[in-house]
Amino acid sequence: NAGVTQTPKFQVLKTGQSMTLQCAQDMNHNSMYWYRQDPGMGLRLIYYSASEGTTDKGEVPNGYNVSRLNKREFSLRLESAAPSQTSVYFCASSETGNEKLFFGSGTQLSVL
Amino acid sequence: GENVEQHPSTLSVQEGDSAVIKCTYSDSASNYFPWYKQELGKGPQLIIDIRSNVGEKKDQRIAVTLNKTAKHFSLHITETQPEDSAVYFCAASKVDSNYQLIWGAGTKLIIKP
Repeated sequence: NAGVTQTPKFQVLKTGQSMTLQCAQDMNHNSMYWYRQDPGMGLRLIYYSASEGTTDKGEVPNGYNVSRLNKREFSLRLESAAPSQTSVYFCASSETGNEKLFFGSGTQLSVL
Repeated sequence: GENVEQHPSTLSVQEGDSAVIKCTYSDSASNYFPWYKQELGKGPQLIIDIRSNVGEKKDQRIAVTLNKTAKHFSLHITETQPEDSAVYFCAASKVDSNYQLIWGAGTKLIIKP
């Protein structure tokens, strides 16, 4: 079982560049999430998708956009990367809200 | 909004001893409290969770206790082993927030041989 797969694992960007982080799950989950993890701050929710066709802002959505392409895939886009977006990004999925989250292995992003 | 504080930030215990990590939350409407374990280079993994209608839950060497009056919950690990070394996160959520989790800052647990 692959679970939640994220690509790429590592990425270095220059300020102003754009990129898309990809996430796919094979557990037929309805809900998917994007988090960022910064030292000493736990995880913060960027965007989530409660079900296919819907997306909602989390705690820290500024500078990001998302697309729920289908039930399996949920992508995160940085249109114009900034150094403040240097972080580790995690995608997660769950059957519904208030349930166990399954996380991918993360993308370490550095913006210079 | 909800705020979750987690203590300590680092905890070092001798192998075989017990470890306790505590979290406090601010919103009395929160009703779901999971604990996640994150090993180096991996995503967090759920190890145990509790809902507000119970005060304690156990799973082998791991237990979670909830005190709704004081608004705090704790993770207890007994007979610690080297593989328990990791970063542990608590979180809280409620129905009205569409179950969005608010996370503590994490505790790095070090098991000394």
